[in-house]
Amino acid sequence: EVQLVESGGGLVQPGGSLRLSCAASGFTFSSYAMSWVRQAPGKGLEWVSAISGSGGSTYYADSVKGRFTISRDNSKNTLYLQMNSLRAEDTAVYYCAKDPGYCGGDCYGYWGQGTLVTVSS
Amino acid sequence: EIVLTQSPATLSLSPGERATLSCRASQSVSSYLAWYQQKPGQAPRLLIYDASNRATGIPARFSGSGSGTDFTLTISSLEPEDFAVYYCQQRSNWPLSFGQGTKLEIK
Repeated sequence: EVQLVESGGGLVQPGGSLRLSCAASGFTFSSYAMSWVRQAPGKGLEWVSAISGSGGSTYYADSVKGRFTISRDNSKNTLYLQMNSLRAEDTAVYYCAKDPGYCGGDCYGYWGQGTLVTVSS
Repeated sequence: EIVLTQSPATLSLSPGERATLSCRASQSVSSYLAWYQQKPGQAPRLLIYDASNRATGIPARFSGSGSGTDFTLTISSLEPEDFAVYYCQQRSNWPLSFGQGTKLEIK
């Protein structure tokens, strides 16, 4: 059974940093691209970032480019999102997500439970 | 960046009725469009991928159609559990993007 478990969320001041983790199990982690999707309170879904199975290719939304870094440790079956220079508008639930195996990595059949990031002074 | 515009923002229908939700892309996404359902407090659920393919375990009352810039999600006969928010998502171009959502509410 595929499981994705996010951690690392919390309260951080504007300009601060936070690193999110997503522990994956139930599949061959290194074979799949992984993504982060966020949802601000009461708002819609926003795609944030994606990384290939090897980690060699990364992609970002314009809203986070230059501030966020996606990475993965295939030996630990863990996905990361390093978030720097955080802003109030980054406040959201952050989900890690995975392709179900038939979308070339870019649609999301598996989701974690989400971790809440709050940026506030 | 490809912008996806969903309409209507809110759709009020009764159980048993047919629901038609629209998603329009600012440029062609070929057939690389997915639909999700989200209920309060839950992660989204993949319904349709590549415009018209149902994901595993999705009931046959859900169907998707379209290509290029215009797409439709149809729910043939609404069940009480179908009232939720629906999002479209394109995977044609980086950065990927979601529509703003359509809330399907009970009339």
